[in-house]
Formats: sequence, structure tokens, C-alpha cells
Amino acid sequence: EDQVTQSPEALRLQEGESSSLNCSYTVSGLRGLFWYRQDPGKGPEFLFTLYSAGEEKEKERLKATLTKKESFLHITAPKPEDSATYLCAVQAVSNYQLIWGAGTKLIIKP
Amino acid sequence: DADVTQTPRNRITKTGKRIMLECSQTKGHDRMYWYRQDPGLGLRLIYYSFDVKDINKGEISDGYSVSRQAQAKFSLSLESAIPNQTALYFCATSDETDTQYFGPGTRLTVL
Repeated sequence: EDQVTQSPEALRLQEGESSSLNCSYTVSGLRGLFWYRQDPGKGPEFLFTLYSAGEEKEKERLKATLTKKESFLHITAPKPEDSATYLCAVQAVSNYQLIWGAGTKLIIKP
Repeated sequence: DADVTQTPRNRITKTGKRIMLECSQTKGHDRMYWYRQDPGLGLRLIYYSFDVKDINKGEISDGYSVSRQAQAKFSLSLESAIPNQTALYFCATSDETDTQYFGPGTRLTVL
């Protein structure tokens, strides 16, 4: 069964304290892995798509990496405005539907 | 203006009532989706449509129906609302890379 697990459920960091969020997946052939950011009361906002193991993408303080079993979202020197829930989703080769993880709630304290 | 809009943004209704949630998009995408989001759970797909004549059930379609009135409009109906349908509902569209773009959501409460 295709599955996505995100950890931790919640992460509290001080401003400037770098860390990583994890997205583990089981899928019968990966077509793509997606990262989104969701602010309270809003819809998810697209960040990155990764397609193959070893691929990396960066945007400001965020860098996403991909292996055959998991993806990491690295946050370098975060600021309070990086506080949000980060969602991961995978798409299998055999199915266009996205399978979503439950998300990691990130809180950055000033 | 937002590319994907949803109406209403908030709705409180009673058990047994019929409810329609509406979604419009100006992105020109053919593919549209309806999801629900519950605390502690991932987004779950209710229905999706690849074009006006193609509508498919998702993971949790029971108790819901949809209508694709045009490329830009996709409506979700709850024929007889029940309390466990209380959730946050999102509409989304996707482009040729399968990247999904979401609306702002509708918070539905069924009493």
C-alpha cells in the first residue's frame, strides 16, 4: 500500500536554529514527491517537486532532498515567518492521485 | 485576484441539510480536485475531474457528489450532511506537471 509518513508532528525551534523535517514514503514506483507549505486558515502553497533520488532543490532558507525512501526539508537559519505546517505528498507512476502526509507543524520562536 | 476561489469560506449547517461548495479557477487548467482536511490527517481526495466530461471518485467519495459545470467551475455537494463531514474542504487545480494549486478552503461545520 502506498503510504507517506512525516516526522516529527511538531517542531519548535529558536530563530536561527537550523533543522530538518522528514518525509518517508512507500510507493510502487515514484513519479514525483511534492512539498507544500500551509499557513493557518489558508490552502497549501507549492514549494518543490523532486523526481529522482539525489535531486535537490532550494528556495531561500529551504532545501529539499530526495532518496529512494525519504525526503528531507532542510531549514537553514529559520525566521519566525517560516512558521507553518509543511506537507509532503507523493505521486506513484501508476496513479496520478497524490498521497499526502499529515504534515509537520513548524514553530520558530524569535 | 486569486487564481482559485472557493465559496462560501465558512458554513454552519444542520444534520440532513443539502450543502453545495463552489470552486472557480482562472488558471486555465483542465484538472480539478476536491479534498477534505481533518486535524492530524493528511489531505484526502473526495473527487477529481480531468475535464468537463471526466469525473472520478477519490478515496472518500461516499456521501458526496460533484458537478463540473465548465472548465473553470467544479462544485461539491453534500446531499444530506452529517456531523462527521465537519472539516476543512479544499479545491485544487493542476497543471501539466501535476503540481496542484489550492483555493483558500471552506470551513464546514455540521451540527
